[in-house]
Amino acid sequence: KNQVEQSPQSLIILEGKNCTLQCNYTVSPFSNLRWYKQDTGRGPVSLTIMTFSENTKSNGRYTATLDADTKQSSLHITASQLSDSASYICVVSDLSGYSTLTFGKGTMLLVSP
Amino acid sequence: DTAVSQTPKYLVTQMGNDKSIKCEQNLGHDTMYWYKQDSKKFLKIMFSYNNKELIINETVPNRFSPKSPDKAHLNLHINSLELGDSAVYFCASSHVGGQAEAFFGQGTRLTVV
Repeated sequence: KNQVEQSPQSLIILEGKNCTLQCNYTVSPFSNLRWYKQDTGRGPVSLTIMTFSENTKSNGRYTATLDADTKQSSLHITASQLSDSASYICVVSDLSGYSTLTFGKGTMLLVSP
Repeated sequence: DTAVSQTPKYLVTQMGNDKSIKCEQNLGHDTMYWYKQDSKKFLKIMFSYNNKELIINETVPNRFSPKSPDKAHLNLHINSLELGDSAVYFCASSHVGGQAEAFFGQGTRLTVV
């Protein structure tokens, strides 16, 4: 069964600090992995997408890594801002005809001043 | 210019009632989805439609019936609402394909009292 596990479940950091969120998956066959940011009361918005051959991808202060061998991904946030407070969801797509998405439960990040 | 819009944003209703949530996308996507996000913030797929055809139907009670009049709309009708149906329901859409990004609506917070 396809699964996506994220850690930590929640995280509190001081503004300006860096943090790293983890994602492990067992989705097969693997197509791609996305990190989504979900602000409170809003729908998730895609931050990065990574395919099998990509090891790292950046989007501003967000850098995602992927190790397809160990089936792990991380999302590193640099110089955190208050607006980074949100839930970060790892989503893995398989290679079925309609690319079924498997969602992690998310990591709730709180950046405090 | 809202890409995926759902109405209403908030819905409070009594147990046993029947209610509908509407969703429309103006992105020209072929595929639309309904997701349920429970109190633990876990996003779980309920249905997926491709060109008005049901593709994915997870283990959702028969009280939930999606209807797609055209590929730009996917409405969710819920009969005989129960307390456990209280959650945030997200509509999403995407192109078909492995790297297609799912775009989410803002969510409908359903509260059954």
